[in-house]
Formats: sequence, structure tokens, C-alpha cells
Amino acid sequence: DTEVTQTPKHLVMGMTNKKSLKCEQHMGHRAMYWYKQKAKKPPELMFVYSYEKLSINESVPSRFSPECPNSSLLNLHLHALQPEDSALYLCASSQEVARPYGYTFGSGTRLTVV
Amino acid sequence: SQELEQSPQSLIVQEGKNLTINCTSSKTLYGLYWYKQKYGEGLIFLMMLQKGGEEKSHEKITAKLDEKKQQSSLHITASQPSHAGIYLCGADWYNTDKLIFGTGTRLQVFP
Repeated sequence: DTEVTQTPKHLVMGMTNKKSLKCEQHMGHRAMYWYKQKAKKPPELMFVYSYEKLSINESVPSRFSPECPNSSLLNLHLHALQPEDSALYLCASSQEVARPYGYTFGSGTRLTVV
Repeated sequence: SQELEQSPQSLIVQEGKNLTINCTSSKTLYGLYWYKQKYGEGLIFLMMLQKGGEEKSHEKITAKLDEKKQQSSLHITASQPSHAGIYLCGADWYNTDKLIFGTGTRLQVFP
């Protein structure tokens, strides 16, 4: 299995809702990442997990809460989002945060906040 | 400030033509990655370059990294409509644990 699987593919949520995005990989990778991509912009890094511990938080608002319950799974919990948070959320993994192993990306979750 | 610059921002070429996309870093890279993205979809890995002067090819796509490891180019030979999409260069640097992307190049190939 050489894939990163993200669910759901699409999500519409209200500003008062609580929802979660899920990312799963079974490649034995020990580093996992969340990126946010707005339309016509490159992906922007949000969080980095290394060996299930948060190693980088790129000053992301607290309404985004990441969680890494085990080495194969990465969640992004969403609460009280704003319409400007609508974007494509991409998950990625790599063998280690140390290179040069490369990064594998999932297909993303298209989030719309109404 | 943007650490990784890509050019051009967009490219429209006729099928069969060659094209080049450039990616420049403000400091020496550790690794340089090329990805392709169709609108609204995930990133497809193309190539990874790590050594100064390295060159890799896959089908009609060739990527190079300069000796100083600050500039990379992606060259497509005899472009086809299937090459259309957004090309992103990504890089990581010494003493960082993160992959940062360039501004992207939108490629359109018309018959």
C-alpha cells in the first residue's frame, strides 16, 4: 500500500459545527503533515507530526486542532470555522522528517464553510 | 517573503512544443521536489533531486538541479494535452523539517 487516504473527499459545514478530517497511511511513515490550499495558491504547511508528536505548528488558529492517535492516522478537528477557511486540505507523509525520502500526498478534502 | 519562486506563472503552448519551468530558491536547498496537480485534486509526485548537478528523466519530463542547489528546471519535450495542469516545485532546506512550495505554474496545452 503506497497511498495516503483522506476522508471525506468533500465536506460542507456550518460555522457552528464540529467536524473532523481523517488521513491514513500504511507505509510505515513516521512523519505526517497537514497542508491548506486556497484556490490558485500553492499548498501552505499547517502542522508536522514526527513519531506521533507535534513538531511544527505554523501559527495555525486554535479552531484547527490536529491529532495523531497512532503512527498510521492523522486527524484534523475543526470547530467554529470561518468562510475564509474554505479550502482544499491535503495530508502528506514521509518516512522521517529527515530527508531524502520524499513526501506522499493524499487526494485532499475539499472543505466549504457556510 | 517567498523562499521559492517559480516562473512562469502560466504557460500556454501548442501540442508538440517543448517548454521549461523554473524554480529558484533564495538559499541552498537540501531537496527539490516536483509535483503535478490537476485542479482541486491531490499532488502527483514527479521527481526528487538532491545532488548538485543532478538530472532525472521520466518519459518526456526532465528535471535538473544546478550545482549550487539553488535553482531547478523542469523541461517537457513534445508536450501533450495530458501534460496540462499545475506544476509545483517544493523544497526543504538544511535544519528544517518542512516542505515548502513554490508559487506554481499553470500549464495549458492546446491541439
